[in-house]
Amino acid sequence: RKEVEQDPGPFNVPEGATVAFNCTYSNSASQSFFWYRQDCRKEPKLLMSVYSSGNEDGRFTAQLNRASQYISLLIRDSKLSDSATYLCVVNIPRGAQKLVFGQGTRLTINP
Amino acid sequence: ETGVTQSPTHLIKTRGQQVTLRCSSQSGHNTVSWYQQALGQGPQFIFQYYREEENGRGNFPPRFSGLQFPNYSSELNVNALELDDSALYLCASSPSGSREQFFGPGTRLTVL
Repeated sequence: RKEVEQDPGPFNVPEGATVAFNCTYSNSASQSFFWYRQDCRKEPKLLMSVYSSGNEDGRFTAQLNRASQYISLLIRDSKLSDSATYLCVVNIPRGAQKLVFGQGTRLTINP
Repeated sequence: ETGVTQSPTHLIKTRGQQVTLRCSSQSGHNTVSWYQQALGQGPQFIFQYYREEENGRGNFPPRFSGLQFPNYSSELNVNALELDDSALYLCASSPSGSREQFFGPGTRLTVL
C-alpha cells in the first residue's frame, strides 16, 4: 500500500467551477501536511500547509482529518491558471524531515 | 523563486556511466534533501543532509551517494547508471528544524 494515495485524475472542469481533491495517508506518525502544485516539467511549489483546524488561502481551502488520515483541497471559482498537478504531501520525521508525496492529481481547467 | 539552484538542467548519459548533480540551497538553509521523480509519479525521497552529514535515507541503493559542503551546497552522485535512473532529480532546501522544503528547478537525467 502506498504511504500517500491520491486519485491521479485527470480532472477536467470548466472555468469557474469548484473542484475538490482528496488524499489518504497510512503512517500515523505523519506530523505535517501540505499541498504542493507542480506545473508541467517544473518543480513542485508549496501551495499551502494543512492544519487540523482547516485553513483557507483565498480560493483554496485545505482540511485535515487525523482520525481518518485524510486530507482535502478545495478550489473555488477555478481559473485557467489553476491547471496543474496537485501533490498531497506528508512529513514523516524519522531523523530526517522526509517528505512523502502522493502520485499527484492532474487538473485541467477548460475555458 | 525559491533561491534554490541546480545544475545542469538537462543531462544525457549512457548505462554504466557515473553522474554528479549539483545544488545550491537558499541562503540560510542548512538542510538539503534530494528527490527522484519518475514520469507520472510523485517525487521519491533519496536522502537528506544536515551540517555535512547524511541524516536520513530513502529506499535507494548505495550507488546513490551525496555530499554537503560547508556552504550548504550539495552534490548527488549516481554510479553505474541504469535505464530506470532516467528521471527529474530535485533538490530541496530548508532551514534547520523546518518541516517545509523549497525545491530547485531540477535536473532532468536521461540514461540511454
